[in-house]
Amino acid sequence: SQQGEEDPQALSIQEGENATMNCSYKTSINNLQWYRQNSGRGLVHLILIRSNEREKHSGRLRVTLDTSKKSSSLLITASRAADTASYFCATVLTSGTYKYIFGTGTRLKVLA
Amino acid sequence: NAGVTQTPKFRVLKTGQSMTLLCAQDMNHEYMYWYRQDPGMGLRLIHYSVGEGTTAKGEVPDGYNVSRLKKQNFLLGLESAAPSQTSVYFCASSYPGRGVGNQPQHFGDGTRLSIL
Repeated sequence: SQQGEEDPQALSIQEGENATMNCSYKTSINNLQWYRQNSGRGLVHLILIRSNEREKHSGRLRVTLDTSKKSSSLLITASRAADTASYFCATVLTSGTYKYIFGTGTRLKVLA
Repeated sequence: NAGVTQTPKFRVLKTGQSMTLLCAQDMNHEYMYWYRQDPGMGLRLIHYSVGEGTTAKGEVPDGYNVSRLKKQNFLLGLESAAPSQTSVYFCASSYPGRGVGNQPQHFGDGTRLSIL
């Protein structure tokens, strides 16, 4: 079964609004990463948050991590049509196996 | 600087045929990965490699074989294709970094494989 589960599965918002998507996971992690995938393309890394961090920012992106609840959220502020994509969280387990476990993704559509 | 290049981009096979997907990276990364992406299931790890000459099984390795003879190349083979292997296949690479998984993965644009 998937380690990470994103919520919601799909999200449609107007340009300029904020978009929030959540990721829940099951076991202890080393870090959590967020990726974006445009239609027909590969995944692109957005941001990494370590297990001892609670919040991280990168441009219009804000990521939070709550290890007690085993959850993370990705906030995209002032969204643009170009943000339309699928967003995935990926967890790296503390077991030292070099494996990244990807969630099922949130499909974001930003309407112009 | 091409990053991660996957060949071919599209392929249609008949059940029972064999083929090899090629992944090449020009970033001198140690780690390379093969994933499959199916609707509603996210990415699932097939096999991975932590260095030239080494490979390991991921979450869904059955029906696939891999080889890493050169550091820059990671090959995924289907010996006898089955319709259940219809999917989009992604290759990724990363540096070892400090600690396990502390580096982002760089992805190719995928190979869309249909098996009839």
